[in-house]
Amino acid sequence: DTGVSQDPRHKITKRGQNVTFRCDPISEHNRLYWYRQTLGQGPEFLTYFQNEAQLEKSRLLSDRFSAERPKGSFSTLEIQRTEQGDSAMYLCASSLQTDYGYTFGSGTRLTVV
Amino acid sequence: QKEVEQDPGPLSVPEGAIVSLNCTYSNSAFQYFMWYRQYSRKGPELLMYTYSSGNKEDGRFTAQVDKSSKYISLFIRDSQPSDSATYLCAMSDGNNRLAFGKGNQVVVIP
Repeated sequence: DTGVSQDPRHKITKRGQNVTFRCDPISEHNRLYWYRQTLGQGPEFLTYFQNEAQLEKSRLLSDRFSAERPKGSFSTLEIQRTEQGDSAMYLCASSLQTDYGYTFGSGTRLTVV
Repeated sequence: QKEVEQDPGPLSVPEGAIVSLNCTYSNSAFQYFMWYRQYSRKGPELLMYTYSSGNKEDGRFTAQVDKSSKYISLFIRDSQPSDSATYLCAMSDGNNRLAFGKGNQVVVIP
C-alpha cells in the first residue's frame, strides 16, 4: 500500500476553465475527505464520502465544485469555471470509520491565472 | 472567533532544544486532538492522536490535552534539523470534519 495518491501534483489553468483532480485512497479505508489549504492557513474541510455516498459538504463548496466517488474507490473533485480565488492546495485524505487520524495525500496545487 | 487558534509565528530553535507548540479552541465538544507535521509542498502527516484529556508520548514527541482550559500542546525533545516543518493542530467533535489551526513554522538550526 503506497498511501493516498493524488493526481496531478500541480495544475495551472486559465480562469474560466474546468479542472478535475483525482484521489486514490488507502484501499481498506471506507472514508475519503477533500480539504483545501491556502498559503499560511490550515486545511479547510470541503466534503467527505463514506464508501460511495457523499455525506457532508461544506458551505465552502460552491455550485462550481462537484465531487464523486464511484464504487467507493477513487474520488474526483471537479471545479468548473475556475476563478483566481480557487488557487490553493487541494488535499485528499482517507480513514477507517471512526478513526480521526486521517492519512493525507501530497495534494494537488492549483494555480488559476 | 475561529474554532481553533494557533499562533502562526515562525519559531527558530537551536538543534537539541525543546520545541513547545500550543493551540487553544472554543468548541467544548472537541474530544479528538491531533498534531500533524507538514513539510513544504507536501500533505500533512499525522504525528500524534489523542482522545480527551491527558498526555501521550511517542519517542521525542509529547502531546498534552487540557480540556478544562481548552488548550493542547506538543513538545519536541532533542530537536533535529529534520524536525523543521510546519506543525498543525487539528481537532474533531466526532462529526467527521477536522478543524485545523493555521500552523506553526518551526526551524531547527544545526
